[in-house]
Amino acid sequence: EAGVAQSPRYKIIEKRQSVAFWCNPISGHATLYWYQQILGQGPKLLIQFQNNGVVDDSQLPKDRFSAERLKGVDSTLKIQPAKLEDSAVYLCASSLWGTDTQYFGPGTRLTVL
Amino acid sequence: AQTVTQSQPEMSVQEAETVTLSCTYDTSESDYYLFWYKQPPSRQMILVIRQEAYKQQNATENRFSVNFQKAAKSFSLKISDSQLGDAAMYFCAYRKGETSGSRLTFGEGTQLTVNP
Repeated sequence: EAGVAQSPRYKIIEKRQSVAFWCNPISGHATLYWYQQILGQGPKLLIQFQNNGVVDDSQLPKDRFSAERLKGVDSTLKIQPAKLEDSAVYLCASSLWGTDTQYFGPGTRLTVL
Repeated sequence: AQTVTQSQPEMSVQEAETVTLSCTYDTSESDYYLFWYKQPPSRQMILVIRQEAYKQQNATENRFSVNFQKAAKSFSLKISDSQLGDAAMYFCAYRKGETSGSRLTFGEGTQLTVNP
């Protein structure tokens, strides 16, 4: 069974630029999560999707961050414009509906200069 | 709000020895799940072990076991016969027991070093 796929693995941008990350969850997983992990900290949830609907985006900085999950499969997380403090690893995870275990992708390391 | 605390930023252990990583949490919920995740330098978060709060029996997975003390809100991870491949950052995580799925709340992590 293929795991959660993410791309790119690394991204370096200048502040005020835009960036987008892509995630492909495990086949059949209805729930998809985006986490932000700042260096030296545990991951923090940004947004959670159930199929293509948003379940929880309470910690998403909506003035600059946006995410979508078209057709309830792949998802894209966008930052526009990026700030220095957005430098972090962005992790995507997925889980089956009604289960408690989340499976993580390898993450995208973003550096904002 | 739920919080998870890992009071040991770094731990070290000799190969083949046993080490225990500590975790405490705060919640007013009665139904929840607890997890330990391992994150090696590759950044991939790997599930090590999970515990349902309603189960009194401590979970075990091969060399990994937990000591779940619900009243004390404590959830420690014991690694027996430590191996070089166990070296990683370990995160304790909490999740409310909702059937529709909910966020994981992570601790700050414990960096484990395994010395040969």
